[in-house]
Amino acid sequence: GENVEQHPSTLSVQEGDSAVIKCTYSDSASNYFPWYKQELGKGPQLIIDIRSNVGEKKDQRIAVTLNKTAKHFSLHITETQPEDSAVYFCAAKGTYKYIFGTGTRLKVLA
Amino acid sequence: NAGVMQNPRHLVRRRGQEARLRCSPMKGHSHVYWYRQLPEEGLKFMVYLQKENIIDESGMPKERFSAEFPKEGPSILRIQQVVRGDSAAYFCASSPPGTGETQYFGPGTRLLVL
Repeated sequence: GENVEQHPSTLSVQEGDSAVIKCTYSDSASNYFPWYKQELGKGPQLIIDIRSNVGEKKDQRIAVTLNKTAKHFSLHITETQPEDSAVYFCAAKGTYKYIFGTGTRLKVLA
Repeated sequence: NAGVMQNPRHLVRRRGQEARLRCSPMKGHSHVYWYRQLPEEGLKFMVYLQKENIIDESGMPKERFSAEFPKEGPSILRIQQVVRGDSAAYFCASSPPGTGETQYFGPGTRLLVL
C-alpha cells in the first residue's frame, strides 16, 4: 500500500544552523507534497508545499525540494530559531488521499 | 475567513459511552478529512467525505465508528461504545473542491476514555 517514510525522527540543531528533514514516498501517482508544523496541543499548520511539476520552492527561511524520479522530497530550514521547535510532518497526496510521514521532532537549542 | 473549527476541544467519556466529534470546514470547502493521532505518532487517515457522500472510509475501523457530512451543518465523527484504545486526538481537515487543493487542519478534539 501507499507509504511515506520520514527521517530523522528527532533532530536537534543549534540556533542559527540549518535543519533538513527527508521523506520518501511509494505511490508514483502522488502529485502534491505539503509540509506541516505541529506545536504541542495544536493542529498541524501548513508551512510550505510543492507540486510534482516543480523541483524546488522557497519561502523565506523554508525551502522544499522534490526528486520525482527517486520519489524523495525534503524540507530545509535555514537560520533556525527557537520558535521553529515543533514536530514536522511531510505528506504525499495522490488523487485525493493524503499519506503522512511519522513526523520529525525538531529542537532548536538557544 | 474563520479556519476549520472543531468541537469539543476536549472530551472525556467512560467506556461504553458514545463520543460525537464535530467539524465545521472553512467557508467554501466541501471536502472533509478525519485523522486520528496517538501520542508521539503521526496522522492516520480515517475517512474522506464530500457533502452527503463518503468517498473513502478505508481508514475507519469496521465497527463502532461512523462519519457523516450532511448537506447542512458540520461533519460528525461518531464513536459508539468507546474503549480505552479510542483515546487519541482526532483532527479534521478541509479543502475546497478540486483534486489538487491544499487541506487545512482544525485544532483537534482530544478524546479521553476512562
